[in-house]
Amino acid sequence: LAKTTQPISMDSYEGQEVNITCSHNNIATNDYITWYQQFPSQGPRFIIQGYKTKVTNEVASLFIPADRKSSTLSLPRVSLSDTAVYYCLVFNSGYALNFGKGTSLLVTP
Amino acid sequence: GAGVSQTPSNKVTEKGKYVELRCDPISGHTALYWYRQSLGQGPEFLIYFQGTGAADDSGLPNDRFFAVRPEGSVSTLKIQRTERGDSAVYLCASSPSGTGHNEQFFGPGTRLTVL
Repeated sequence: LAKTTQPISMDSYEGQEVNITCSHNNIATNDYITWYQQFPSQGPRFIIQGYKTKVTNEVASLFIPADRKSSTLSLPRVSLSDTAVYYCLVFNSGYALNFGKGTSLLVTP
Repeated sequence: GAGVSQTPSNKVTEKGKYVELRCDPISGHTALYWYRQSLGQGPEFLIYFQGTGAADDSGLPNDRFFAVRPEGSVSTLKIQRTERGDSAVYLCASSPSGTGHNEQFFGPGTRLTVL
C-alpha cells in the first residue's frame, strides 16, 4: 500500500479556501486517490476520489498533477462545520483503506 | 435509505470478558470491512469480507479477535479475553462490491472500553 504524507493540522478562517496537499511518492499505476472526512464521534465519510487531473463535486475539488505523486484537496469558502479530520488515501480495488493520521482542520470565525 | 448501523454504540466491559460487536451493512452491499480507531489515530484495518467469506483478515491483531458474516449481510466482530489495550472505537464499513474503486460507507462505530 502506498504511504501518504499530509500536514498534521491546519487552521483557517470562515469563508477562506483551504488547500490540503498530500504526497504519495510510491503510488502504483492502478491506485486511485481518495479523501475522507471525519467528524468527532462519527465514522469517516467519503468526499472525493480521482485518478488524474482534476475532479470536482459539490463539496470539493481534487487536483492531481501528471506524475500523480501528490494531490491537493481544495475546500472552497469553508464554514465552521468543515472543522474535521481529513484523510488522504491511496488505494486499489479489492483492498481495505489505509488511513494515516489525517489532517485536523480547524475553522474559526 | 438506511446507512450502516452498529450496535451497541457503547460497550463497557471488564478485562478478560468476551464481547460481540454487530454491524448491519447497507442492504445489497457485498463487501464489508472492520476497522479499529484509537484516540488520535486514523482507522486501522482489521478484516474484509466479500460475501460470506473473509477475503483478508491480515489486520486482526491476534487470535483473540475473529469475525463472521454467515449470511453475507450482518457481521459480528468477536473479541475473547478482552484486554485494556483493546479499548477503541470499532468501525464497520460496507461498499457495493470489493471490486472497482467504490467508496466505503462507514457506520458510527462502537466505542469499546475495557476496564
